[in-house]
Order: sequence, then C-alpha cells, then structure tokens
Amino acid sequence: DAKTTQPNSMESNEEEPVHLPCNHSTISGTDYIHWYRQLPSQGPEYVIHGLTSNVNNRMASLAIAEDRKSSTLILHRATLRDAAVYYCILTPSNTGKLIFGQGTTLQVKP
Amino acid sequence: DTGVSQNPRHKITKRGQNVTFRCDPISEHNRLYWYRQTLGQGPEFLTYFQNEAQLEKSRLLSDRFSAERPKGSFSTLEIQRTEQGDSAMYLCASSPRAERNTEAFFGQGTRLTVV
Repeated sequence: DAKTTQPNSMESNEEEPVHLPCNHSTISGTDYIHWYRQLPSQGPEYVIHGLTSNVNNRMASLAIAEDRKSSTLILHRATLRDAAVYYCILTPSNTGKLIFGQGTTLQVKP
Repeated sequence: DTGVSQNPRHKITKRGQNVTFRCDPISEHNRLYWYRQTLGQGPEFLTYFQNEAQLEKSRLLSDRFSAERPKGSFSTLEIQRTEQGDSAMYLCASSPRAERNTEAFFGQGTRLTVV
C-alpha cells in the first residue's frame, strides 16, 4: 500500500488558517487522496477527498500538488473543535479499505 | 438515519472469555468494515463485507476472531478466548458504494478491556 508521511503534531491559534501537509511520493495515477479526522473518544470522520484538482467543501479545502506527490489540507479558520488527529490516506483500490498512518495531532490554542 | 451504531460502547471482560460486538451500518450501505485501534495508533483494518459476503480479512485477524454479516445488514465481531492484547477500540464503518472515491462513515466504537 502506498505510504503517506505527515508531521506528528502541529499547533494553531484559534480563528487562524491551518495548513496540514502530507507527502505521498509513491502515489499512483488512480489513487485518491482522502483526509479523515478523529476527535478524542470518537470514531474517525470524513473530511475531504480528491484526485487531481483542488477541492473545497464546507469543512476544508484540499490542495493537491501538480505532480500529486504531496497535498495540503487547509482549515480556513481553526476553532477549538478542530483539535483532532488528522489522517491523510490513499485509496488505491476499490475495496474502500483505509490504511491509516499515525496522523497529525492538531492543537488549537485559544 | 442516525449513522453507524455500535453496541456495546464499553466492554470489560476477563481473559479467556468470549465477547461479541454488534454494528448497525447506515441503511442501504452495502460495504461494512471493521477496524481496531490501540492507544496512540491509527485504526488498523481487520475485515470488510460487501452485502453478506466477507471479501477480505487482514492477517491481524487471528483464528480467535470471526465476523459475520447475515442478510447483509448488521454485523457482529466475535473474539473467542480473549487475551489482554485484544484490549482496544473496535470501530465499524460503512459506505454506500464499492468505489475508491467513496467516503466511509464510522461508528463511535466499542472499547474492549480484557482484565
């Protein structure tokens, strides 16, 4: 399975933008890039996904590098409720199974 | 629809006992997944179903683990002769389609403690 690399932790101030990076240099042409987040004591929650083009939804934006070897999840205005572990995941097959790494633990300071 | 439901939320059992967890997916979702998560780690894939057929099992799923999804609706995960190393959060997820660009919806998990 293709591997992703994320920083272990990041900090942000409340109401400021947050850019969470992810490297996936071994991505293949058909892999989708998914982001999930997991709040304390909760199951993971879908955030966003994309293939080649940048994507926006109500939760976040996903910026994908032109060579697709990296991507960035953008939270436009962090709130305290955004404090969570954020996982960047590639989905190479139609099984839909998710291979989670360690993720990035985001702390949001008031 | 209330989302993916897992029961019980917490289970404490003595080593050697059998335990069974239940997952009710979102209705009409034909894909159902089981994951296990230990403290400080990301979830690990265990197995998945398309309707009632179990299509893949991880090598993490030892002979003591069995999962079923009769009639393609709810699923059960049974662990026989529990060991302390089985202590973890067991997560269930469902998705509507068998495609790689589909989002998965997770339940809140069942936390198992083996004493």
